[in-house]
Amino acid sequence: EDKVVQSPLSLVVHEGDTVTLNCSYEVTNFRSLLWYKQEKKAPTFLFMLTSSGIEKKSGRLSSILDKKELFSILNITATQTGDSAVYLCALTGTQGGSEKLVFGKGTKLTVNP
Amino acid sequence: DAGITQSPRHKVTETGTPVTLRCHQTENHRYMYWYRQDPGHGLRLIHYSYGVKDTDKGEVSDGYSVSRSKTEDFLLTLESATSSQTSVYFCAISDHRGPPYNEQFFGPGTRLTVL
Repeated sequence: EDKVVQSPLSLVVHEGDTVTLNCSYEVTNFRSLLWYKQEKKAPTFLFMLTSSGIEKKSGRLSSILDKKELFSILNITATQTGDSAVYLCALTGTQGGSEKLVFGKGTKLTVNP
Repeated sequence: DAGITQSPRHKVTETGTPVTLRCHQTENHRYMYWYRQDPGHGLRLIHYSYGVKDTDKGEVSDGYSVSRSKTEDFLLTLESATSSQTSVYFCAISDHRGPPYNEQFFGPGTRLTVL
């Protein structure tokens, strides 16, 4: 059974800090790993990492995938209060259909001014 | 934003009553999904559809049924609502015709309370 574990479950930082969110996984036949941001509403897509794309960056956010050690990290530099959200990691493998995502429970990030 | 709407956005109902939630998309995406989100559990897949009249069960399908008679609409029905089905329900869509293949776009959610 595919599994996603995120850590920490919650994190409180001050504006300007750098944070690292972790996502470890177990999967049969890895296909992709996705990161979402959720702010009191629907999750919004951030990044997708695959075997051919193990590092992504967008502004202050970046993510890497380590397929050997089975984890991914999401880094946010120079955090702002607008980064406060729950960050979700999701996984797709080919077992049980690659159309389905398995989500972790999320990391709740609070950025204080 | 992807064109996904959910109705109703909020609903309060009583135990034992039937409830139907609707997801409507204007993106012509093939795949549609229903999730529930609960504290401590994250997002869990209830059912999904890979085409008109083609559906399959997800992780937490007991007590739920779905139907998809048109590409744009995916209905989730609770035949006899229970308090354990109090949750926020999200619909999502995806299009596997090209990369990134698995990216799912989420609707605004429906908050359901079963008393």
